[in-house]
Amino acid sequence: AAGVIQSPRHLIKEKRETATLKCYPIPRHDTVYWYQQGPGQDPQFLISFYEKMQSDKGSIPDRFSAQQFSDYHSELNMSSLELGDSALYFCASSLGLAGGYEQYFGPGTRLTVT
Amino acid sequence: KNEVEQSPQNLTAQEGEFITINCSYSVGISALHWLQQHPGGGIVSLFMLSSGKKKHGRLIATINIQEKHSSLHITASHPRDSAVYICAVKSGSRLTFGEGTQLTVNP
Repeated sequence: AAGVIQSPRHLIKEKRETATLKCYPIPRHDTVYWYQQGPGQDPQFLISFYEKMQSDKGSIPDRFSAQQFSDYHSELNMSSLELGDSALYFCASSLGLAGGYEQYFGPGTRLTVT
Repeated sequence: KNEVEQSPQNLTAQEGEFITINCSYSVGISALHWLQQHPGGGIVSLFMLSSGKKKHGRLIATINIQEKHSSLHITASHPRDSAVYICAVKSGSRLTFGEGTQLTVNP
């Protein structure tokens, strides 16, 4: 069965550069979530989209923006990168927004800022 | 105090042992996930629960909504079960994660 796809899997950037992370949800899933997991930390919710509209916003820095496109894939844009942005970024997708819908996780993008 | 608390933080077991990981939460939830994360980082969803009990192979998950508590049990543990097990609760659309339990199963 198709899973959530994230690209790239690994990314190395320098401070003050920009990065774009992509997430392709499971086919027919209309909801996408982004999470950030710093080294040795538990994942933190960043932002979510349902039917191409932002549905919830967590601890996402103003330097970050995200959107969901007409084909339901999502992109997380990160500007003015800082060393502290180095983390594993997970995308998850679900069939809907309601509590009964399970979230399926992608393999993550490991971002290293040097 | 974290909204989601897991215990123990670290657990070492011998192959074949019965393992229990506990999760307590303090917020209203619509569902609770048990997730597995291997050293490479990928997260796999083991269970999503909103009531009662679920079983998949050697894994059993239970939840008591009134007591805001869930447990993950592994029967006949095996070294390949070694991973971080994370409890995550769904409130609204977002998941809030526990700090995880590092499980090591020795042969």
